[in-house]
Amino acid sequence: AQSVTQPDIHITVSEGASLELRCNYSYGATPYLFWYVQSPGQGLQLLLKYFSGDTLVQGIKGFEAEFKRSQSSFNLRKPSVHWSDAAEYFCAVGIYGNKLVFGAGTILRVKS
Amino acid sequence: NAGVTQTPKFQVLKTGQSMTLQCAQDMNHNSMYWYRQDPGMGLRLIYYSASEGTTDKGEVPNGYNVSRLNKREFSLRLESAAPSQTSVYFCASSGLAGSHYEQYFGPGTRLTVT
Repeated sequence: AQSVTQPDIHITVSEGASLELRCNYSYGATPYLFWYVQSPGQGLQLLLKYFSGDTLVQGIKGFEAEFKRSQSSFNLRKPSVHWSDAAEYFCAVGIYGNKLVFGAGTILRVKS
Repeated sequence: NAGVTQTPKFQVLKTGQSMTLQCAQDMNHNSMYWYRQDPGMGLRLIYYSASEGTTDKGEVPNGYNVSRLNKREFSLRLESAAPSQTSVYFCASSGLAGSHYEQYFGPGTRLTVT
């Protein structure tokens, strides 16, 4: 069955430090992969997506993610975190029927 | 352009009461979705509608019903609310040509069942 694993429930980084959030997926076909961000009390906003082509994709707010087929991973990165990046981040895989399967989320805390 | 709107934003129900959550999108999308979000579990699909006139069960449909009223609107009904349905509910839509599975989300409805 399709699944998405985000191994880290919480991550704390210092402002200005680099960030990497991990995501592993299980899906038989070529995956469509997404990262969404949710600020407290808000809905989900799309950060970036991978469909095909270049395995390093750029998104909004300075985020990027790299698709590694051999590792079934799609990790999210940012070179320098800002306090406003504190939020919950969800990785998702698109499956048949135009549906998404989400990971459990990673809560990012930024310390000054 | 409002995107996806949901009403109400907050709701408190007593066990056994019923209610309908409303969702509307103005992006001319074909597909619409209802999710629930619980701590540590991400978003789980309750029901979805691939196109106007069709609805299908998702991962956690028990205790819910849906209606795709027209292309814009997709409602979620709880016939007899239970404390286990305390959650945050999100509506989403997708279906622009070339967007594949990209979904756009509403702001959510926070439901508490006592």
